[in-house]
Amino acid sequence: DGGITQSPKYLFRKEGQNVTLSCEQNLNHDAMYWYRQDPGQGLRLIYYSQIVNDFQKGDIAEGYSVSREKKESFPLTVTSAQKNPTAFYLCASSMGIAYTDTQYFGPGTRLTVL
Amino acid sequence: AQTVTQSQPEMSVQEAETVTLSCTYDTSENNYYLFWYKQPPSRQMILVIRQEAYKQQNATENRFSVNFQKAAKSFSLKISDSQLGDTAMYFCAFMLAYTGTASKLTFGTGTRLQVTL
Repeated sequence: DGGITQSPKYLFRKEGQNVTLSCEQNLNHDAMYWYRQDPGQGLRLIYYSQIVNDFQKGDIAEGYSVSREKKESFPLTVTSAQKNPTAFYLCASSMGIAYTDTQYFGPGTRLTVL
Repeated sequence: AQTVTQSQPEMSVQEAETVTLSCTYDTSENNYYLFWYKQPPSRQMILVIRQEAYKQQNATENRFSVNFQKAAKSFSLKISDSQLGDTAMYFCAFMLAYTGTASKLTFGTGTRLQVTL
């Protein structure tokens, strides 16, 4: 089955720790995205990547980092510099820069800071 | 910058009835796309329907249809014959039509829809 997987589903972090959220897709999509969702708010863009080895900051990139070493993978690291990391994190992908195209989402990761 | 506004935080509809969710947006651009996404309790974001701004015809997908009013910058979603499985959070989203850059989405704050017996 083609799709986007995110792991883990739930993640707990102690203050001061870095954690990495996984996002993998087998849709052969070039572009990938990370969003954050807080209660009562829509999704906000953290980072996006149009192609391997390239990524750009979104609207709320502070305290986060990403890498894109493989087309299929776009991990997000939540660093200790992120002041309020408790949120629901969604990864998405789309065909890529040659298209203005629909984004498809993974099932999400719920991050809680203890 | 583009903004998307959903003015109805919560709505309720009885099973088999019709409900309309509102969305307005603000942009100075002429070429763009609009989307409705559904987020059920599982929290998976699911595409419901998509509308290209250059198309005058309103998009439809089975029981879901939109009323796209470009001049008014309005994009409402109509759900006909509502089913219990339609219970979810519904998000309106906007995307500029570019080539050469990744297609970034701007979301509204969502409308929580409850379908009741």
